This record gives sequence, C-alpha cells and structure tokens, in this order.
Amino acid sequence: AQKITQTQPGMFVQEKEAVTLDCTYDTSDQSYGLFWYKQPSSGEMIFLIYQGSYDEQNATEGRYSLNFQKARKSANLVISASQLGDSAMYFCAMRGGRDDKIIFGKGTRLHILP
Amino acid sequence: SAVISQKPSRDICQRGTSLTIQCQVDSQVTMMFWYRQQPGQSLTLIATANQGSEATYESGFVIDKFPISRPNLTFSTLTVSNMSPEDSSIYLCSVGDRGPYTFGSGTRLTVV
Repeated sequence: AQKITQTQPGMFVQEKEAVTLDCTYDTSDQSYGLFWYKQPSSGEMIFLIYQGSYDEQNATEGRYSLNFQKARKSANLVISASQLGDSAMYFCAMRGGRDDKIIFGKGTRLHILP
Repeated sequence: SAVISQKPSRDICQRGTSLTIQCQVDSQVTMMFWYRQQPGQSLTLIATANQGSEATYESGFVIDKFPISRPNLTFSTLTVSNMSPEDSSIYLCSVGDRGPYTFGSGTRLTVV
C-alpha cells in the first residue's frame, strides 16, 4: 500500500528565510510521481511542483525546489526567500498504483512571520 | 492543465437529505477523482470515476452513500446521500490526465 508521511504539523519561519517541508513516502511501485500542493485559507488546491520517480534531476519551479532522495524515499519541498503570502497549508502527495490515483499526507501548516 | 468547474461552491443542507455536486472539465479526461476534506484534515480519496464503468470506491466509502455518475469524458457528479452532520466537509473533484493533477474549487457542505 502507498503511504505519505508529513511529520511537521506546523512551522513558523521568519520572512525571507528558506524553509524545508518534510515528506517521506512508501510504495512498492517502480513508477510513481510526487507532488506538492499549497492550500491557502480560501481552500483552493494550488499545484507547486512535481517529481517523477525516474527523473534524475531535482525539480525546480521558481522559488520552489523538490529535494528528491529516492533511496531514502523522501521528497522534501524547499521554499527559498519565504514571503508572507507563503503562509498556507502544504500537502505532499503521491501518484501511483492502479488508476494513477493520488493520495495525500496530513499536511504542514506554514506560518511566515514578518 | 485541465480547468474544472465545480458547483455548488457551498450549501447548507438538512440532515437526511441528499446533495449532488457537479464537476465539468474543459477537456476529455480518462479518470476523475472525488475527495473529501473534513475540517482541519487532509484530502481523503472517496472514489475514482472512469467513464463507462462503475466507480471504484476506497475503503470506508460505499456506493449507497456516495453514488457517482460519469456519463461522458468531461463530466461527473457525486451525490452525498442521507446526510448527517458528520458529512460536513469540503468535497473536491480532480483530474490528472495531462500534467499535474488539478482540482475543482470545492464544495463546502454544512449539514444541520
């Protein structure tokens, strides 16, 4: 069975600092994908970044990068130069299995302090 | 990425009644997924809807409570039946045929 674990229920970070959100996963699939989504208080799910299991390079999207360590089964999100608007809930998710459905971790609530 | 129109955006319903949530996608997609997000919680997959076949339900979710229709490749509905206050949640649909999985804006359901 697939599983996503986010061990940080909440984090407080000073504005302009970098922040790392932890995510570990478990799967028996060889082909899978890892996602990070941001959910602000409005409730919408905003896609941030994607890493495929066969991608050799770590994914980057602007201020977001994904630190993919396949042997350790971790896919941490790094946000550089955090901004007040980064305050939100962040979910790590994994695609795989039959039907390519995605499952989510419990999330990390990030608070950026001015 | 596909764009999803979900409605209603919110509703307040009496216990014992049913609510049908609709999702319309701007392109044809193979799979549509329905999620529930209880207050302060993560997203939990309810079922996967494939056009032309019965939906596949996750453990803890049953068709009698959450019937799903998928009449074509751009549309799906989820019905929450015989509602109780415990069904108060945000319900979201999602598709992922092309690129990242995208989500509808969600239906915020309150059962009183």
